[in-house]
Amino acid sequence: QKEVEQDPGPLSVPEGAIVSLNCTYSNSAFQYFMWYRQYSRKGPELLMYTYSSGNKEDGRFTAQVDKSSKYISLFIRDSQPSDSATYLCAMTGLGGRGSTLGRLYFGRGTQLTVWP
Amino acid sequence: DVKVTQSSRYLVKRTGEKVFLECVQDMDHENMFWYRQDPGLGLRLIYFSYDVKMKEKGDIPEGYSVSREKKERFSLILESASTNQTSMYLCASSQLRGSGGSPLHFGNGTRLTVT
Repeated sequence: QKEVEQDPGPLSVPEGAIVSLNCTYSNSAFQYFMWYRQYSRKGPELLMYTYSSGNKEDGRFTAQVDKSSKYISLFIRDSQPSDSATYLCAMTGLGGRGSTLGRLYFGRGTQLTVWP
Repeated sequence: DVKVTQSSRYLVKRTGEKVFLECVQDMDHENMFWYRQDPGLGLRLIYFSYDVKMKEKGDIPEGYSVSREKKERFSLILESASTNQTSMYLCASSQLRGSGGSPLHFGNGTRLTVT
């Protein structure tokens, strides 16, 4: 079983829709959760960063973490064509030297298209 | 803003050639990473480094090596390029060695084609 599972889509929605993107994971040691956005022919850029369970909001974006269910979500309100991109979830756990040092585990990404 | 710069956006090389991919970051980050990204497979970690002259294998190190002689520079080397190494290569860096949860900062990638 892969450490992080993410539905690759593609997902296509009309402008103004609420978008829900999700990931599940298997490692209960994960504590830090991130969402990256990747535009075509660009590198991923950090969109949201959360620690442990709970919600975090930033403008039209809300990240949710449910550690009991090992499930994280990214919601995009009032979606715009400029939100069209691939969204990758990522997570990590322990600090200190070792195999998990600084290492993120990524989902495969969900391709989102928002049409006008 | 953190800047991670990859020396080439596009490269075309022939089978058997030795290929160097260069990456430089300007934020004094301890950790640096090389990933490849392929459709349907997502990001796969090739190598990472948490200090100068230190390196650790990732998930798919075969056919690759790395060099980190200076803190800001991390090079990926394909010893003898093969067609199955055609891919997008992404370099990334992060700070806070010894702490979990540091987000990665990515370069814009090098699209390598091996013919």
